[in-house]
Amino acid sequence: DTGVSQDPRHKITKRGQNVTFRCDPISEHNRLYWYRQTLGQGPEFLTYFQNEAQLEKSRLLSDRFSAERPKGSFSTLEIQRTEQGDSAMYLCASSLFNYPQETQYFGPGTRLLVL
Amino acid sequence: SQQGEEDPQALSIQEGENATMNCSYKTSINNLQWYRQNSGRGLVHLILIRSNEREKHSGRLRVTLDTSKKSSSLLITASRAADTASYFCATDALGEGGGAQKLVFGQGTRLTINP
Repeated sequence: DTGVSQDPRHKITKRGQNVTFRCDPISEHNRLYWYRQTLGQGPEFLTYFQNEAQLEKSRLLSDRFSAERPKGSFSTLEIQRTEQGDSAMYLCASSLFNYPQETQYFGPGTRLLVL
Repeated sequence: SQQGEEDPQALSIQEGENATMNCSYKTSINNLQWYRQNSGRGLVHLILIRSNEREKHSGRLRVTLDTSKKSSSLLITASRAADTASYFCATDALGEGGGAQKLVFGQGTRLTINP
């Protein structure tokens, strides 16, 4: 399978714990995006990388959230001191940017439940 | 906040009928994309239409774009039970500094195809 993969697929944690998610993009893709999706809503942009550089962060991304993409390959999204409001599906997408056309390919997501 | 609004929010039709979903957006765009999401899963890219295109076809899918009205429609012809899913339109939005083309999603249309 050469698509975007995410791990874990499901995570249940207690409020106050830290969690980390991993995303492996399609191998030749230079851009990697994180989105968050709550029930009944469309995905909302969180942050994005071009190669290893994090170039934009949404205001939705509080200081409890941090993302990295070392060596411009896989990415991790960490949430510290989780809150119940963090419960959502976290989606990763990757793309090979070719302005002005860019198709983002999404992974299956990590569903987080904070108790 | 989300830019797009899909209409209707939910649609239920009989297998074999055509399904039409509409999307409106607020700001100028480079491209508009449609994605499908099966329950609890990641998003699957369906079709991308550029701002200088008015109509595009892919198999049983037909997408139109009216930039003067800031609206798009997705038509699925000869629907099948397997088409049951949520459908999202996504517009690109230049990031800060004109870099990223992050996607801005609507709330989606939940389509149910009854056998």
